[in-house]
Amino acid sequence: QKEVEQDPGPLSVPEGAIVSLNCTYSNSAFQYFMWYRQYSRKGPELLMYTYSSGNKEDGRFTAQVDKSSKYISLFIRDSQPSDSATYLCAMTILTGGGNKLTFGTGTQLKVEL
Amino acid sequence: GAVVSQHPSWVICKSGTSVKIECRSLDFQATTMFWYRQFPKQSLMLMATSNEGSKATYEQGVEKDKFLINHASLTLSTLTVTSAHPEDSSFYICSASPPGQGYSPLHFGNGTRLTVT
Repeated sequence: QKEVEQDPGPLSVPEGAIVSLNCTYSNSAFQYFMWYRQYSRKGPELLMYTYSSGNKEDGRFTAQVDKSSKYISLFIRDSQPSDSATYLCAMTILTGGGNKLTFGTGTQLKVEL
Repeated sequence: GAVVSQHPSWVICKSGTSVKIECRSLDFQATTMFWYRQFPKQSLMLMATSNEGSKATYEQGVEKDKFLINHASLTLSTLTVTSAHPEDSSFYICSASPPGQGYSPLHFGNGTRLTVT
């Protein structure tokens, strides 16, 4: 079993839809949770990061963490064609001050006109 | 802020040659940088942790003599793929996080696509 599971998609939605992207994890020691967006042939771009269980909102994006269920989500409201990308969840344990991320496999999202 | 720059963005080399990839933190100093590799339609796999002024730490299964890492300054880390073979063809991405109190998430460069012919 992988430490982080993420549905690879592809996920296709119409413009304006609400998108829900999810990851589950097995290691309860993970402390910080990130969502990255990666366009084709580019490096990942940090969208949001969270620490505690609950919701964190930034514009059209909402990150949700449920540590009891070991489940995180990213919601995208009013999705746009420019949101078409691969979305990677990542998480880390800050032992010894390190920042080694464990990534999900990524979900490919396509927002269609 | 927190810009990480990588160069070159793509490179083609012949089998048996070496290739150097540079990673720079443009607006912050980074004592630690991370090198990842990504195969098509797969996630990022950590290769090694680059430490300024000391030896890099390699992940299990990554050959340190093949992937030479040098972190000579607080804003520059280099990855040299030595004696490259076609199976080394991949997307190499570096990352770093700006210093600060509390947690600081990683920011990534735009990657280097290596093709070995």
